[in-house]
Amino acid sequence: QQQVKQSPQSLIVQKGGISIINCAYENTAFDYFPWYQQFPGKGPALLIAIRPDVSEKKEGRFTISFNKSAKQFSLHIMDSQPGDSATYFCAVTDSWGKLQFGAGTQVVVTP
Amino acid sequence: NAGVTQTPKFQVLKTGQSMTLQCAQDMNHEYMSWYRQDPGMGLRLIHYSVGAGITDQGEVPNGYNVSRSTTEDFPLRLLSAAPSQTSVYFCASGRPGAGANVLTFGAGSRLTVL
Repeated sequence: QQQVKQSPQSLIVQKGGISIINCAYENTAFDYFPWYQQFPGKGPALLIAIRPDVSEKKEGRFTISFNKSAKQFSLHIMDSQPGDSATYFCAVTDSWGKLQFGAGTQVVVTP
Repeated sequence: NAGVTQTPKFQVLKTGQSMTLQCAQDMNHEYMSWYRQDPGMGLRLIHYSVGAGITDQGEVPNGYNVSRSTTEDFPLRLLSAAPSQTSVYFCASGRPGAGANVLTFGAGSRLTVL
């Protein structure tokens, strides 16, 4: 069974808008929550990650918000650009590093 | 710097045929893994290895074998291909440490089973 549930499946946002992707997990043993970005024909690449001891992490236009009590975390893409058009995956892992991924969200940023 | 190299990039098989997807990394990573990617299913873990000589099953191991004789290589074997194994396969490597495992992915191998 999938350890992490990701929504929405797809998202269309205008240039300059905000993209928000949500993930929920069950197992409280997970201690590392990365987001991966994948462009067509390429493998996924790490975008940003957070640990459960902080509630928010920001890197440039990308922000992770983490709610430990609700077992949810989300990715916000501020000032979305056409170059951000990609598929985004959230993931969860324990200390052994065995990553388990959400189903993915296809983001399309229109000019 | 090659990173993670997967071969072949594309392969077409007939049902029942066998083949091996190759994966090699040059980053001296202890951890290596295989995922398959299917529409709407995300990336599902097939097998993984935490070091040479050590392998374990992931979420969807049936129909696949792996071995890890060296740190660098982690081949994935399909013994008798089935249409349900049509997918894009990704190899990834990483170095777990302090509870974090940043995976580096290969470019993928697209397999079609007829």
